[in-house]
Amino acid sequence: DGGITQSPKYLFRKEGQNVTLSCEQNLNHDAMYWYRQDPGQGLRLIYYSQIVNDFQKGDIAEGYSVSREKKESFPLTVTSAQKNPTAFYLCASSISGRNRGYGYTFGSGTRLTVV
Amino acid sequence: DAKTTQPPSMDCAEGRAANLPCNHSTISGNEYVYWYRQIHSQGPQYIIHGLKNNETNEMASLIITEDRKSSTLILPHATLRDTAVYYCIVRVHQAGTALIFGKGTTLSVSS
Repeated sequence: DGGITQSPKYLFRKEGQNVTLSCEQNLNHDAMYWYRQDPGQGLRLIYYSQIVNDFQKGDIAEGYSVSREKKESFPLTVTSAQKNPTAFYLCASSISGRNRGYGYTFGSGTRLTVV
Repeated sequence: DAKTTQPPSMDCAEGRAANLPCNHSTISGNEYVYWYRQIHSQGPQYIIHGLKNNETNEMASLIITEDRKSSTLILPHATLRDTAVYYCIVRVHQAGTALIFGKGTTLSVSS
């Protein structure tokens, strides 16, 4: 079955360390996205990519980096520059690079905790 | 993108219809209304979208007022599994930006 896979489900990081969250999709979707969710809050956009080798910053890109070398993969690196990285991270993909508003498919998320 | 206003929370009895309102008084002519929902600790799930006509699918119905300034998502027979946060999003159909999710409405379905 096609889908979008995020790993790991839970991740613990020491302060000052970089960590990379994985996101892989086999839906043949052109566009991919990273969102962050804090308790009781909506989703905030970190980065998105509409096509391979291209990506744009979202509202809260500071302290994060991404790459899009393959259509299937959109890893997110949380750097030590991110002041408050503890959060629930969600990856999504959508049907076409034209970024229609429907048909977003989300992964099951990675819960990152800084210890 | 037009701003939306949703109540923070709603309750519904199992088996009854759940009617979730959304105000979008600044919506422009080419903006669609989209609904997603997020069950606890999962990623959001697309439900339905519409422009000006009422829409129905296997999950829900979407009623958009004639002036398009508000809409209602209807879950005709709510179950416990419908307990979730419901997001109403207004945006042009194809845009160069990603969907923006607000805080939504937390729907609690009880038996």
